Amino acid sequence: AQSVTQLGSHVSVSEGALVLLRCNYSSSVPPYLFWYVQYPNQGLQLLLKYTSAATLVKGINGFEAEFKKSETSFHLTKPSAHMSDAAEYFCAVSPTGANSKLTFGKGITLSVRP
Amino acid sequence: DTAVSQTPKYLVTQMGNDKSIKCEQNLGHDTMYWYKQDSKKFLKIMFSYNNKELIINETVPNRFSPKSPDKAHLNLHINSLELGDSAVYFCASSPSYATNEKLFFGSGTQLSVL
Repeated sequence: AQSVTQLGSHVSVSEGALVLLRCNYSSSVPPYLFWYVQYPNQGLQLLLKYTSAATLVKGINGFEAEFKKSETSFHLTKPSAHMSDAAEYFCAVSPTGANSKLTFGKGITLSVRP
Repeated sequence: DTAVSQTPKYLVTQMGNDKSIKCEQNLGHDTMYWYKQDSKKFLKIMFSYNNKELIINETVPNRFSPKSPDKAHLNLHINSLELGDSAVYFCASSPSYATNEKLFFGSGTQLSVL
């Protein structure tokens, strides 16, 4: 069975600082990996996804993530945080790529300090 | 023009009552989903319909009954509401359940059972 682990529940950074949100996966087959973002009082939106092409994936709003098979990781980064990045971030995995098999992590809250 | 709209946004009710949440998507997608997000932000799939046919039915009490009158609508009916049903319920849609094209989420229905 596939799963993702997002360590910690809350990350706080200063505006302009590097954002690093960690995600480790467990999958018996090469996984498809996703990052979704949930802004306050809204539904989730796709930030980016890894589908076995390039290991460095660029997404919307300046975010990117790197797939590292040796570390079973898919960490999300952004060079410079903006106040508008404050939200809940979810890592998700699908062993086949199908939405029907998508499993979400527990999410992590990003706060951005002025 | 909201892509995935669900109503009501807030629902406060007493234990034992029956309630419904409605969802509509105007994206022409074939697949719709219901997710439950608990108080710890953990997101779990409940049901999925593809072209009005049930394709995912996770371990959910049979007090929860989804209904899809057409592929643009997926409603969720809950009988005999319990305290533990309090959560945010998200409707989502995607072009297909078998591919990894992104999910489009509604803004959620916050259900509070008193």
